[in-house]
Amino acid sequence: DVKVTQSSRYLVKRTGEKVFLECVQDMDHENMFWYRQDPGLGLRLIYFSYDVKMKEKGDIPEGYSVSREKKERFSLILESASTNQTSMYLCASSLSGELFFGEGSRLTVL
Amino acid sequence: KNEVEQSPQNLTAQEGEFITINCSYSVGISALHWLQQHPGGGIVSLFMLSSGKKKHGRLIATINIQEKHSSLHITASHPRDSAVYICAGVNYGGSQGNLIFGKGTKLSVKP
Repeated sequence: DVKVTQSSRYLVKRTGEKVFLECVQDMDHENMFWYRQDPGLGLRLIYFSYDVKMKEKGDIPEGYSVSREKKERFSLILESASTNQTSMYLCASSLSGELFFGEGSRLTVL
Repeated sequence: KNEVEQSPQNLTAQEGEFITINCSYSVGISALHWLQQHPGGGIVSLFMLSSGKKKHGRLIATINIQEKHSSLHITASHPRDSAVYICAGVNYGGSQGNLIFGKGTKLSVKP
């Protein structure tokens, strides 16, 4: 079975902390994505990557960075977490149009 | 105005009813995804279609690219179909980074 695994389902962090959200896929997909999902705003693209070490900004990259050192792993980094980054974060991977999502990571920043 | 609009936003149905969720878009797309999100967060892709109709079990998705409209139908609905259904258009250019999401339709099916 196809699998996209996000490292943490729930995280609580303090303002100013550095936060790492990890995503691993076992399908050898080239494309990987990070979205955040907020009530009333739907899913918004933060960053995506179409190959190892490649990254592209999405619609809302400010305050975030990403790392793709290996094909299977795409990490989202919040250098200095802020309360407005409290959200549900969803990772996805795709190949030939098929999309696979992780279970999501709900981050609360206090 | 959102580029991808879904209707209705919320839908409550009785078990067994036929359900239709609509998705209209104002931008050119090459394909459209229908996604299902259960409480707790995980999203599952139900369909990707670029023309015509696809069927999987009790779910049917149709798209009319010229009319910029897609529908998701659920026949013989069941409480386990309760979820948020999201449509997402793939922008011309083909990159999956160019997905444009609707805001979702929250479906509740009562026993």
